Amino acid sequence: AQSVAQPEDQVNVAEGNPLTVKCTYSVSGNPYLFWYVQYPNRGLQFLLKYITGDNLVKGSYGFEAEFNKSQTSFHLKKPSALVSDSALYFCAVRARMDSSYKLIFGSGTRLLVRP
Amino acid sequence: GAGVSQSPRYKVAKRGQDVALRCDPISGHVSLFWYQQALGQGPEFLTYFQNEAQLDKSGLPSDRFFAERPEGSVSTLKIQRTQQEDSAVYLCASSLRDRAYEQYFGPGTRLTVT
Repeated sequence: AQSVAQPEDQVNVAEGNPLTVKCTYSVSGNPYLFWYVQYPNRGLQFLLKYITGDNLVKGSYGFEAEFNKSQTSFHLKKPSALVSDSALYFCAVRARMDSSYKLIFGSGTRLLVRP
Repeated sequence: GAGVSQSPRYKVAKRGQDVALRCDPISGHVSLFWYQQALGQGPEFLTYFQNEAQLDKSGLPSDRFFAERPEGSVSTLKIQRTQQEDSAVYLCASSLRDRAYEQYFGPGTRLTVT
């Protein structure tokens, strides 16, 4: 069965410092991996995805993520955090062989960037 | 362009009532998904349509939940005889078939069953 783990309920970081939000996954075969961000009273917004190719993917708002197959991880990173990055972040996975296109989401990590 | 829209944004139902939640996907998106997001949790898959065909309904929690997309555009998620455990945010997402892995989400409908 497919699953996603986000081990941290909350990540606190000072503005200007680098941030990392962790994600590990379990899936049969090769994965498609995604990060979404959710602001209060708004829907999920797509940040970035790994489909194939370069293990380091770049996305919106200066975020990037690194796919590590041996560690089954897909951690979200940003070199310099902004207060406006404070939000709820979700990692999601889909098995490449899955004929249904459904996404399996983690439980989310709240990012709090303090001024 | 316009994104995915959902209505109503908020719904309060008494236990036992039926509710209908509407989703308008992005124009041209053939794939449509419904997810349920309980408080403090990530979204959980309910069902998937490709055009008007419901190809996967494995996530529907009971036979009280029913979804349709009769003309391959607008979709309705219906919950019959609502229970308190149905209280959640219901999210709709759409995508292009050939890029089905990138889903665009609506703002959700928050359902509260009292």
